[in-house]
Amino acid sequence: SAVISQKPSRDICQRGTSLTIQCQVDSQVTMMFWYRQQPGQSLTLIATANQGSEATYESGFVIDKFPISRPNLTFSTLTVSNMSPEDSSIYLCSVEVSVYGYTFGSGTRLTVV
Amino acid sequence: DAKTTQPTSMDCAEGRAANLPCNHSTISGNEYVYWYRQIHSQGPQYIIHGLKNNETNEMASLIITEDRKSSTLILPHATLRDTAVYYCIVRAFNTGGFKTIFGAGTRLFVKA
Repeated sequence: SAVISQKPSRDICQRGTSLTIQCQVDSQVTMMFWYRQQPGQSLTLIATANQGSEATYESGFVIDKFPISRPNLTFSTLTVSNMSPEDSSIYLCSVEVSVYGYTFGSGTRLTVV
Repeated sequence: DAKTTQPTSMDCAEGRAANLPCNHSTISGNEYVYWYRQIHSQGPQYIIHGLKNNETNEMASLIITEDRKSSTLILPHATLRDTAVYYCIVRAFNTGGFKTIFGAGTRLFVKA
């Protein structure tokens, strides 16, 4: 399975600011997935990031709020823009490289104050 | 992806088998059953998957009914460290990625 390095692991941010989360994978992957997990909730898919094309966003998520970059096959970033307290969540990236399913990053715990 | 239905929570005594059910009555012929678990504050972790045969690995066993409309994840000797949220997912496999939608999962409490 793949190894994902995700950072930062946590951050406390002021409302109105932006935070960029990075995910580095130790192998080349076609797609990377970004999830949000609000307190006490399950994972919600934000978007799918393909290298060389714009990300595909799920219903309820828009590019202006969650811009994604995918400059190569091993790296992606998710930016949470113009943050409000409602954006306080854990953000996770994931990839699938084998029949054993998804590998997830360790997550970024974001608190907006 | 097919939808799954899982109980919201379950309790299990330490050392006993934990049997976690999942209903997936609309599963398609090419869709696998996957189980993940998420221990507090960590990313979900793969446990096991299967298509139609029962499967066993070092972590768990997966029992899939003959009609494939339901399955059971079995943790043979639950420990306190198995307390987690367990997600049952059905999906086709596609190397390189295929988006997966997570349901609410089952919160398993293993008690001493």
